Amino acid sequence: QSVLTQPPSVSGAPGQRVTISCSGSSSNIGARYDVHWYQQLPGAVPKLLIYGNNNRPSGVPDRFSGSKSGTSASLAITGLQAEDEADYYCQSYDSGLSGYVFGTGTRVTVL
Amino acid sequence: EVQLVQSGAEVRKPGESLKISCKGSRYSFTTYWIGWVRQMPGKGLEWMGMIYPGDSDTRYSPSFEGQVTISADKSISTTYLQWSSLKASDSAMYYCVRLSRDGSSWYFDYWGQGTRVTVSS
Repeated sequence: QSVLTQPPSVSGAPGQRVTISCSGSSSNIGARYDVHWYQQLPGAVPKLLIYGNNNRPSGVPDRFSGSKSGTSASLAITGLQAEDEADYYCQSYDSGLSGYVFGTGTRVTVL
Repeated sequence: EVQLVQSGAEVRKPGESLKISCKGSRYSFTTYWIGWVRQMPGKGLEWMGMIYPGDSDTRYSPSFEGQVTISADKSISTTYLQWSSLKASDSAMYYCVRLSRDGSSWYFDYWGQGTRVTVSS
Protein backbone atom coordinates (compact mmCIF):
# COMPACT_ATOMS: atom_id res chain seq x y z
CA GLN A 1 0.00 0.00 0.00
CA SER A 2 1.17 3.54 -0.76
CA VAL A 3 2.51 5.79 2.00
CA LEU A 4 1.19 8.87 0.18
CA THR A 5 -2.58 9.31 0.34
CA GLN A 6 -4.64 11.12 -2.27
CA PRO A 7 -8.41 11.47 -2.66
CA PRO A 8 -9.71 8.87 -5.14
CA SER A 9 -11.51 11.48 -7.22
CA VAL A 10 -12.17 15.17 -7.65
CA SER A 11 -14.39 16.88 -10.15
CA GLY A 12 -15.17 20.34 -11.39
CA ALA A 13 -16.89 22.25 -14.13
CA PRO A 14 -14.93 23.72 -17.01
CA GLY A 15 -13.16 26.88 -15.91
CA GLN A 16 -13.24 26.01 -12.24
CA ARG A 17 -10.31 25.45 -9.91
CA VAL A 18 -9.70 22.05 -8.36
CA THR A 19 -7.05 20.91 -5.92
CA ILE A 20 -5.63 17.46 -5.22
CA SER A 21 -4.05 16.74 -1.87
CA CYS A 22 -1.16 14.37 -1.19
CA SER A 23 -0.78 13.44 2.46
CA GLY A 24 2.46 11.93 3.71
CA SER A 25 4.42 11.63 6.92
CA SER A 26 7.62 12.54 8.72
CA SER A 27 9.61 9.99 6.70
CA ASN A 28 8.76 11.46 3.30
CA ILE A 29 7.15 14.85 2.64
CA GLY A 30 7.63 15.93 6.26
CA ALA A 31 11.31 15.03 6.04
CA ARG A 32 11.65 17.81 3.48
CA TYR A 33 11.81 15.55 0.46
CA ASP A 34 10.36 17.24 -2.57
CA VAL A 35 7.05 16.28 -4.14
CA HIS A 36 6.55 15.72 -7.84
CA TRP A 37 3.36 15.24 -9.81
CA TYR A 38 2.51 13.15 -12.85
CA GLN A 39 -0.48 13.20 -15.18
CA GLN A 40 -1.73 10.03 -16.84
CA LEU A 41 -4.29 10.64 -19.55
CA PRO A 42 -6.65 7.73 -20.30
CA GLY A 43 -4.74 4.90 -21.92
CA ALA A 44 -1.50 6.90 -22.01
CA VAL A 45 1.94 6.87 -20.43
CA PRO A 46 2.36 8.99 -17.27
CA LYS A 47 3.96 12.36 -17.86
CA LEU A 48 5.89 14.63 -15.51
CA LEU A 49 3.68 17.60 -14.62
CA ILE A 50 5.37 19.30 -11.65
CA TYR A 51 8.82 18.72 -10.19
CA GLY A 52 10.47 20.05 -7.07
CA ASN A 53 7.13 20.92 -5.45
CA ASN A 54 6.21 23.79 -7.77
CA ASN A 55 8.24 23.74 -10.99
CA ARG A 56 6.71 23.07 -14.38
CA PRO A 57 8.66 21.34 -17.16
CA SER A 58 8.68 23.08 -20.48
CA GLY A 59 5.34 22.76 -22.23
CA VAL A 60 3.19 22.32 -19.14
CA PRO A 61 0.55 25.07 -18.95
CA ASP A 62 0.73 27.48 -16.04
CA ARG A 63 -2.80 26.39 -15.09
CA PHE A 64 -1.03 23.65 -13.14
CA SER A 65 0.72 24.58 -9.91
CA GLY A 66 2.07 22.76 -6.90
CA SER A 67 2.67 23.55 -3.28
CA LYS A 68 3.97 21.80 -0.19
CA SER A 69 3.54 22.42 3.52
CA GLY A 70 4.46 20.22 6.44
CA THR A 71 3.64 16.61 5.66
CA SER A 72 1.34 17.40 2.73
CA ALA A 73 1.42 18.73 -0.79
CA SER A 74 -1.20 19.92 -3.25
CA LEU A 75 -1.70 20.19 -6.97
CA ALA A 76 -3.99 22.92 -8.22
CA ILE A 77 -5.57 23.12 -11.64
CA THR A 78 -7.10 26.47 -12.49
CA GLY A 79 -9.31 27.08 -15.49
CA LEU A 80 -10.18 23.39 -15.69
CA GLN A 81 -10.43 22.06 -19.25
CA ALA A 82 -11.89 18.87 -20.70
CA GLU A 83 -8.39 17.74 -21.69
CA ASP A 84 -7.39 17.74 -18.00
CA GLU A 85 -9.46 14.62 -17.37
CA ALA A 86 -6.82 12.19 -16.20
CA ASP A 87 -5.30 10.40 -13.24
CA TYR A 88 -2.82 12.40 -11.19
CA TYR A 89 -0.11 10.96 -8.95
CA CYS A 90 2.17 12.59 -6.42
CA GLN A 91 5.62 11.15 -5.80
CA SER A 92 8.35 11.64 -3.21
CA TYR A 93 11.14 9.79 -1.44
CA ASP A 94 10.68 7.85 1.78
CA SER A 95 13.64 7.48 4.12
CA GLY A 96 12.06 4.59 6.01
CA LEU A 97 11.66 2.59 2.83
CA SER A 98 14.86 3.97 1.31
CA GLY A 99 13.07 4.41 -1.97
CA TYR A 100 10.64 6.36 -4.07
CA VAL A 101 6.94 6.30 -3.39
CA PHE A 102 3.85 7.29 -5.34
CA GLY A 103 0.55 8.54 -4.10
CA THR A 104 -2.59 6.46 -4.43
CA GLY A 105 -3.72 8.50 -7.42
CA THR A 106 -6.63 10.87 -8.06
CA ARG A 107 -8.98 10.81 -11.01
CA VAL A 108 -10.03 14.24 -12.16
CA THR A 109 -13.39 14.46 -13.91
CA VAL A 110 -14.55 17.52 -15.81
CA LEU A 111 -18.31 17.82 -15.44
CA GLU B 1 14.71 14.48 -27.47
CA VAL B 2 15.44 11.77 -24.91
CA GLN B 3 13.94 8.42 -25.84
CA LEU B 4 13.29 5.29 -23.83
CA VAL B 5 12.06 2.50 -26.07
CA GLN B 6 10.79 -0.65 -24.43
CA SER B 7 10.40 -4.16 -25.78
CA GLY B 8 7.00 -5.41 -26.88
CA ALA B 9 4.14 -7.05 -25.04
CA GLU B 10 4.74 -10.52 -23.60
CA VAL B 11 2.49 -13.43 -22.74
CA ARG B 12 3.87 -16.17 -20.50
CA LYS B 13 2.67 -19.03 -18.35
CA PRO B 14 3.10 -19.14 -14.57
CA GLY B 15 6.54 -20.42 -13.63
CA GLU B 16 8.19 -19.23 -16.83
CA SER B 17 11.01 -16.72 -16.95
CA LEU B 18 11.00 -13.36 -18.71
CA LYS B 19 13.35 -10.47 -19.46
CA ILE B 20 12.06 -7.17 -20.83
CA SER B 21 14.20 -4.30 -22.02
CA CYS B 22 14.44 -0.54 -22.23
CA LYS B 23 16.82 1.17 -24.65
CA GLY B 24 17.85 4.75 -23.99
CA SER B 25 18.97 7.20 -26.65
CA ARG B 26 19.71 10.88 -27.27
CA TYR B 27 21.31 11.41 -23.86
CA SER B 28 24.32 10.20 -21.91
CA PHE B 29 23.04 6.74 -20.95
CA THR B 30 25.70 5.96 -18.35
CA THR B 31 25.14 9.09 -16.24
CA TYR B 32 21.44 8.78 -15.40
CA TRP B 33 19.67 6.31 -13.14
CA ILE B 34 16.99 4.25 -14.89
CA GLY B 35 14.10 2.94 -12.84
CA TRP B 36 11.19 0.57 -13.34
CA VAL B 37 7.58 1.28 -12.38
CA ARG B 38 4.74 -1.23 -12.23
CA GLN B 39 1.11 -0.47 -12.93
CA MET B 40 -1.28 -3.34 -12.37
CA PRO B 41 -4.57 -3.29 -14.29
CA GLY B 42 -6.74 -0.42 -13.08
CA LYS B 43 -4.30 0.41 -10.29
CA GLY B 44 -1.71 3.02 -9.39
CA LEU B 45 2.02 3.38 -9.93
CA GLU B 46 4.61 1.47 -7.90
CA TRP B 47 8.35 2.07 -7.93
CA MET B 48 10.21 -1.23 -8.26
CA GLY B 49 13.86 -0.29 -8.31
CA MET B 50 16.58 1.37 -10.35
CA ILE B 51 20.04 0.97 -11.78
CA TYR B 52 22.92 3.30 -12.58
CA PRO B 53 24.23 2.00 -15.89
CA GLY B 54 27.63 3.61 -15.39
CA ASP B 55 28.60 1.13 -12.67
CA SER B 56 25.49 -1.11 -12.42
CA ASP B 57 24.75 0.07 -8.88
CA THR B 58 21.23 -1.27 -8.27
CA ARG B 59 18.58 -0.45 -5.67
CA TYR B 60 15.27 -2.19 -5.08
CA SER B 61 12.03 -1.28 -3.39
CA PRO B 62 11.53 -3.58 -0.37
CA SER B 63 8.32 -4.77 -2.05
CA PHE B 64 10.21 -6.08 -5.07
CA GLU B 65 13.57 -7.14 -3.60
CA GLY B 66 14.14 -10.79 -4.45
CA GLN B 67 11.16 -10.86 -6.83
CA VAL B 68 12.82 -9.29 -9.86
CA THR B 69 16.31 -8.52 -11.14
CA ILE B 70 17.33 -5.24 -12.75
CA SER B 71 20.41 -5.16 -14.94
CA ALA B 72 22.02 -3.07 -17.65
CA ASP B 73 24.29 -3.40 -20.66
CA LYS B 74 25.86 -0.01 -21.19
CA SER B 75 27.48 -1.10 -24.44
CA ILE B 76 24.02 -1.08 -26.02
CA SER B 77 22.40 1.54 -23.76
CA THR B 78 19.84 -0.95 -22.50
CA THR B 79 18.44 -1.83 -19.12
CA TYR B 80 16.51 -4.97 -18.27
CA LEU B 81 13.88 -6.20 -15.86
CA GLN B 82 13.65 -9.93 -15.39
CA TRP B 83 11.72 -12.61 -13.56
CA SER B 84 12.91 -16.17 -12.96
CA SER B 85 9.48 -17.59 -12.19
CA LEU B 86 6.44 -15.55 -13.13
CA LYS B 87 3.18 -15.51 -11.20
CA ALA B 88 -0.25 -14.45 -12.39
CA SER B 89 0.04 -11.45 -10.08
CA ASP B 90 2.97 -10.19 -12.19
CA SER B 91 0.51 -9.32 -14.94
CA ALA B 92 0.85 -5.57 -15.35
CA MET B 93 2.20 -2.73 -17.44
CA TYR B 94 5.86 -2.01 -16.74
CA TYR B 95 7.43 1.36 -17.46
CA CYS B 96 11.10 2.28 -17.49
CA VAL B 97 11.81 5.82 -16.34
CA ARG B 98 14.82 8.13 -16.36
CA LEU B 99 15.62 9.83 -13.08
CA SER B 100 16.68 13.46 -13.13
CA ARG B 101 17.89 15.61 -10.31
CA ASP B 102 17.02 19.10 -9.15
CA GLY B 103 19.27 19.82 -6.20
CA SER B 104 18.66 16.96 -3.79
CA SER B 105 15.35 16.08 -5.41
CA TRP B 106 14.98 13.17 -7.85
CA TYR B 107 12.05 12.73 -10.21
CA PHE B 108 11.11 10.73 -13.30
CA ASP B 109 11.39 13.04 -16.27
CA TYR B 110 11.14 10.60 -19.18
CA TRP B 111 9.06 7.45 -19.44
CA GLY B 112 9.20 4.52 -21.81
CA GLN B 113 6.06 3.58 -23.70
CA GLY B 114 5.42 0.62 -21.39
CA THR B 115 5.61 -3.16 -21.77
CA ARG B 116 2.48 -5.15 -21.00
CA VAL B 117 3.16 -8.49 -19.37
CA THR B 118 0.39 -11.07 -19.18
CA VAL B 119 0.87 -14.22 -17.13
CA SER B 120 -1.83 -16.79 -17.64
CA SER B 121 -2.12 -20.54 -17.83
